[in-house]
Amino acid sequence: EAAVTQSPRNKVTVTGGNVTLSCRQTNSHNYMYWYRQDTGHGLRLIHYSYGAGNLQIGDVPDGYKATRTTQEDFFLLLELASPSQTSLYFCASSVRDTEVFFGKGTRLTVV
Amino acid sequence: DAKTTQPDSMESTEGETVHLPCSHATISGNEYIYWYRQVPLQGPEYVTHGLQQNTTNSMAFLAIASDRKSSTLILTHVSLRDAAVYHCILRVHQGGSAKLIFGEGTKLTVSS
Repeated sequence: EAAVTQSPRNKVTVTGGNVTLSCRQTNSHNYMYWYRQDTGHGLRLIHYSYGAGNLQIGDVPDGYKATRTTQEDFFLLLELASPSQTSLYFCASSVRDTEVFFGKGTRLTVV
Repeated sequence: DAKTTQPDSMESTEGETVHLPCSHATISGNEYIYWYRQVPLQGPEYVTHGLQQNTTNSMAFLAIASDRKSSTLILTHVSLRDAAVYHCILRVHQGGSAKLIFGEGTKLTVSS
């Protein structure tokens, strides 16, 4: 089964700090996604990518940058973290029109 | 953007069959219907997906209306392990990439 590995699993940072969330998938899937999930809400799409060097804007992109350096690696960058970005972040990957695999999530707290 | 509508919550008892409805009135012809489930503090878990025909696997049966504007996920003989939030999702193809648009999901409670 395809694996999606997120790191770190937990992160605490201060307001205004820099944070990078990492995601690696091991099956050379084309599509990769970053979502955030807040209490009482469904998953909301931040950014996604079709392949290395490709980036697409999601539904809640403000305050986030992303970079797809290789087919396997997708990073989410928070350059000036704010308390509103405290959330549970999920990375996912897939081949077109097939099952989407999710990572276990990263819990980010901005104090 | 394509969207889905699901009831906020449903309740069931162990051993019952549960029908989880989803409305997607604005679905496009090339959009797939995916179902995922999620328990607290875990990533979503794939359940099933389909385009037009009903589908079945070891986890569930997916019934898709002939006009594709609604679907129903059917869980048979539910157990306590089936308690989760069930997400009905459309797979949108836009600008050369495919993205998932999540609804709020249905929280399924299973009692013994």
